[in-house]
Amino acid sequence: AQKITQTQPGMFVQEKEAVTLDCTYDTSDPSYGLFWYKQPSSGEMIFLIYQGSYDQQNATEGRYSLNFQKARKSANLVISASQLGDSAMYFCAMRELAGNMLTFGGGTRLMVKP
Amino acid sequence: GAGVSQSPSNKVTEKGKDVELRCDPISGHTALYWYRQSLGQGLEFLIYFQGNSAPDKSGLPSDRFSAERTGGSVSTLTIQRTQQEDSAVYLCASSSGGAGPYNEQFFGPGTRLTVL
Repeated sequence: AQKITQTQPGMFVQEKEAVTLDCTYDTSDPSYGLFWYKQPSSGEMIFLIYQGSYDQQNATEGRYSLNFQKARKSANLVISASQLGDSAMYFCAMRELAGNMLTFGGGTRLMVKP
Repeated sequence: GAGVSQSPSNKVTEKGKDVELRCDPISGHTALYWYRQSLGQGLEFLIYFQGNSAPDKSGLPSDRFSAERTGGSVSTLTIQRTQQEDSAVYLCASSSGGAGPYNEQFFGPGTRLTVL
């Protein structure tokens, strides 16, 4: 079974508008962390934001925020005021306390239109 | 400071040949990971090293794949008798290896392997 599901293979957003990238996860581990990474066309993986399973508040980092709904097992990334440079692949990932590695979703390709 | 570096950035090889991919983690990071990113398969975990502990090899797809980490620093991923399905980008990451699920992994630029 998929542990991380990203249901949007591709999305368009108008420059300066906000966009939400969906991520749902599956785990029985009560302690886990959720990560979002950005991968531009150059290929490097850039860490954006982290949410811990016990965190009471949604994480925010500049224009990035994470809409964490624990009961629904979702951790959607919200990008506000989209910029052309936001065009990239975005990956949701999870690390369980019991495991060592990150498990990635299939990714969402975001394209920002001028 | 310097980030994670990988070499070569690109490698083209013929089917059946062996290849070695190198990863130099961030200085002081005790944890090192190898992932593979291929079309249609997304990003998948291969192997994990933490300090002097035995590596977690649970993600290696076959016995043609092996990895070592010398002196707790540089790591080499070796693929023997390469097959066309091994074509992918191989990503290395390192982290400080602290306890808990929060352990930001810093990724290298990857090695693009093409098996002809």
